[in-house]
Amino acid sequence: NAGVTQTPKFQVLKTGQSMTLQCAQDMNHEYMSWYRQDPGMGLRLIHYSVGAGITDQGEVPNGYNVSRSTTEDFPLRLLSAAPSQTSVYFCASSYSGTSGNEQFFGPGTRLTVL
Amino acid sequence: TQLLEQSPQFLSIQEGENLTVYCNSSSVFSSLQWYRQEPGEGPVLLVTVVTGGEVKKLKRLTFQFGDARKDSSLHITAAQPGDTGLYLCAGDYQTGSQGNLIFGKGTKLSVKP
Repeated sequence: NAGVTQTPKFQVLKTGQSMTLQCAQDMNHEYMSWYRQDPGMGLRLIHYSVGAGITDQGEVPNGYNVSRSTTEDFPLRLLSAAPSQTSVYFCASSYSGTSGNEQFFGPGTRLTVL
Repeated sequence: TQLLEQSPQFLSIQEGENLTVYCNSSSVFSSLQWYRQEPGEGPVLLVTVVTGGEVKKLKRLTFQFGDARKDSSLHITAAQPGDTGLYLCAGDYQTGSQGNLIFGKGTKLSVKP
């Protein structure tokens, strides 16, 4: 199993450009999430999905869109990139077991917006 | 707004020393998780604690969940350079409900040989 995969690993955008960060998992997990990680801020939840066709907002959703057409894929779209969106983005999948929502993270995408 | 406070934020020690990292909140968790993250990689789950007062051991790492399920600690015995990384705690406020996992800001540990 590949686990959680993310592409691209690095990306540089100009202000106003749009792009999609890809995320896929092969563990048949129902739950998928997107986080951003900034220095001194920890991991903050952007959007999450509890299953195909169902998405919801997290703590910092503004400027981002998501969709979940299949169990495996959960892309994150930046509509009009801004310098404040410079960050490292992590996708995670999880199942709700008896020990709570144990998250499996991808390797991350480092995004720089100029 | 639920907050998870981790302390210390940074920790630099010599190989062989012991250390403790703390994770505190004013809210009650249904479970709490500890992750370790190495540079350029995503966090990796170390342990989940569920029951108040629970203690779990993972080799030289000991994890404790407070009796009231509001706090947790990670103790490392005889730290090694391989323990270097960012340690994150994450609290789950509602079992089975995605979107209720809150992360602390992390403790950056550096273990020097």
